[in-house]
Parts: sequence; structure tokens; C-alpha cells
Amino acid sequence: DAGITQSPRYKITETGRQVTLMCHQTWSHSYMFWYRQDLGHGLRLIYYSAAADITDKGEVPDGYVVSRSKTENFPLTLESATRSQTSVYFCASGDSGRGANVLTFGAGSRLTVL
Amino acid sequence: LAKTTQPISMDSYEGQEVNITCSHNNIATNDYITWYQQFPSQGPRFIIQGYKTKVTNEVASLFIPADRKSSTLSLPRVSLSDTAVYYCLVGPMNTGFQKLVFGTGTRLLVSP
Repeated sequence: DAGITQSPRYKITETGRQVTLMCHQTWSHSYMFWYRQDLGHGLRLIYYSAAADITDKGEVPDGYVVSRSKTENFPLTLESATRSQTSVYFCASGDSGRGANVLTFGAGSRLTVL
Repeated sequence: LAKTTQPISMDSYEGQEVNITCSHNNIATNDYITWYQQFPSQGPRFIIQGYKTKVTNEVASLFIPADRKSSTLSLPRVSLSDTAVYYCLVGPMNTGFQKLVFGTGTRLLVSP
């Protein structure tokens, strides 16, 4: 199916564990993004990638690691999860051919860190 | 990137027209204005984008005055399903994606 998919949709983990959230898009968009959304903060950018093997920090990168070995995948890893990383995580992709600020978002991954 | 300011929340009733204004005093010459809509438990979705004057699509209209220091998203005859958070973003076109800042948006509540 075409689109952008995130997995898992829901995840409960414990403090200190490693967690990886997956993001896959089928459009071959150049750009991919990871945001987190918390009450009172709106959407905050964690990391973004302009192309395979090119990534850059966003507003709140601490505690997260990303990689982009293939254009279609952009996993987000919490190396040692903390309670403050409990949040809803959204992946997005976009291509400048469609307009510089037009992103398509996934359905989100709700992460709870106990 | 130009900073944007939007009302935190707005209330409306079904059938009314809703206008959400976004202030972006520091907008640059090559910046475009983009609006997203987010329903509960879903990711944001693009609804409209413009540079100047007026843009209209099947979902909304976007009004941009000549000085471009603000923009207004207009939703005609809202229904309960228009209850959502609306985000205004400002950024350049044709330079690749920037580090887009969504902010907290405007929470629109439509009542019967």
C-alpha cells in the first residue's frame, strides 16, 4: 500500500530499555522527519533527513538516534528510554517537488515509558 | 524562519464560517504560508498553501494581505468534523525543506 506507515502504533516499555520506532514511506520522498507531540508543546522536531545517509538534529534531539540507510526507512531509536520520552511520535515525509512545506504524516506511535 | 502567532483556541457552531488568523510579522520575501489540520489521534495533514492574495480549495480558503504579515484561514460552514487543531507555518519554497516549526496551533471546537 502506498503511504507512510509507522510501527508499532502503541508501545509500553520500561526506563532504561532501548526502543526503536519504525517509519516507512513508499513515495521515495527525499525528506523524512520525526516529531514528538506532548500536551502543551505542540509538535516538536526531533530529527530530520534530507536524503539517505544525511540526517540533522531538530529542536529536541537529546536521547534519540536516527539512521537513514535507505530512502524509504527512517527509524528512531531511544537508546535508554526515560519517562520524559513518553509521548506520541509522528513520522513525516515530503518532497520539494510538491512544495517545500508540504509534509505527509504517519498515524503516530504512542510510547509509554514506565 | 519567521515566527508565527495564532490564537490558542476558538469556538464555533455548526454552519458558521470560521476565520483563524496567523501573525507572521517577520515573513521573508520567499516564504510561503502553509496550514495543516490535525484531528485527535491522527497526524497533521496539509490543507492549503499560498504566497499572496487568495487561495481556495475544496477544504478552505487562505487570505493573505498585501503586506503578508498575517494570513487568515477561512473554513466555510463548519461541521462537527472540523473540530481539530490548525497549524500555521511559514517557510521558503524551492530551497528544500527547512526545520519546520509547528508550534501549538489553534484548537477549534465546533459545537452543535
